[in-house]
Parts: sequence; structure tokens; C-alpha cells
Amino acid sequence: NAGVTQTPKFRVLKTGQSMTLLCAQDMNHEYMYWYRQDPGMGLRLIHYSVGEGTTAKGEVPDGYNVSRLKKQNFLLGLESAAPSQTSVYFCASSRPGGGLTYEQYFGPGTRLTVT
Amino acid sequence: GIQVEQSPPDLILQEGANSTLRCNFSDSVNNLQWFHQNPWGQLINLFYIPSGTKQNGRLSATTVATERYSLLYISSSQTTDSGVYFCAVGTSGTYKYIFGTGTRLKVLA
Repeated sequence: NAGVTQTPKFRVLKTGQSMTLLCAQDMNHEYMYWYRQDPGMGLRLIHYSVGEGTTAKGEVPDGYNVSRLKKQNFLLGLESAAPSQTSVYFCASSRPGGGLTYEQYFGPGTRLTVT
Repeated sequence: GIQVEQSPPDLILQEGANSTLRCNFSDSVNNLQWFHQNPWGQLINLFYIPSGTKQNGRLSATTVATERYSLLYISSSQTTDSGVYFCAVGTSGTYKYIFGTGTRLKVLA
């Protein structure tokens, strides 16, 4: 049982390049989330999904897109990377099918640097 | 939107000391979690505690939802307790959590 995994762990991009971050969970969770964490700060929600095929915006969605084609996967895309997107990105999942709690479980993070 | 404040922002302890971390929130919540972010950046679940009291070893937590605060107690602190402690809350009708800015704890040997 791997929990929540993220790919890649590290990435360096040049301004204007694009990339996709992959999050996968094997806990049969309904909800999935993408957060970013800037140095010395808490986590801020980028986008989230409450089920396969559905996504919604969080606090800081600009410059990012997401897709949830399969229940176990949640993809975060950067179409044209900017230095302001340099951050650590965390994926989380919660709420097993039929579950009553919303306890979140986090992946190990992806450290992204945009030069 | 809901505001989440954590105090103190920084805390330095000698090994063996006890501490209390506080999380205040500005609206009613249905979900509340405490996390420990270790020096390697990993987020570790400590408690899911929208109300009541829970204990896990040297750690315990209490949430008084009607008064809009939660407390995390660390007893007999160890150097491995160092890191940042985050409180995250979610309100009724949403699926989202809002994180506080954290308490940075350093435990000295």
C-alpha cells in the first residue's frame, strides 16, 4: 500500500516551458487536492477534485490546469511556467468511498524551480 | 473566507520540556487536522480532530469547536519533534482545507 505518490520529485524548468505533475493514490479516495508551499509559509490550495471527471478551483488556481480522468490519478499542468511558480507542490487525497471523515493524506512533494 | 491563526510562530525547547501549540479559527468548522512537517519536508498526520480530545503517545490534541480553537500538546519533547506544526481546517459544505502558517518548533538536545 503505497499511499499517495508524486512524480517527479524534483524538476527545473525554464520560463515558458510546460510540464505535468502526476499524483497517484491507492486508497480508493474520492477527493484529491493539489497544494503549493512557498518558503516559510503554509500550504495553499491550487485545485481539487471530488470525483473522477470533476475538478474545481482553490485559492491560487491561476497558471495551472488539472485533470482527473481516473479515480486514482490527479494531474497538475503548468502550460507556461513562470518564476513565481517556483515552489514545493503537494498532492493529497481524502474520503474513502462511503467514508464519513475527510482526513487528508499527503504525498512526499515535488520541488519545482523555474529559472 | 475562514481565517486560521497559529501561535506561537516559533518555539525553542530543551529536550524533555512540554509545550502547547494553539490554532484559532474564525468560523465554524467540520474538519480539523494537525500535521507535523519534518525537516525533510514530509507532512505527517498527527490528528484528525474536528471536536473533542485525542491522545497518541506523547502527543494529545483538544478541539473546542464552539469556542473556535484547537490545542496540540507535546510532552517530554524529543529532538525528533523538531519541524513545523500545521493546523488545517475545513468548513461545512466545502471539501477544502485552509492551512494556518504554522508553528516552527526546535528541540535542543
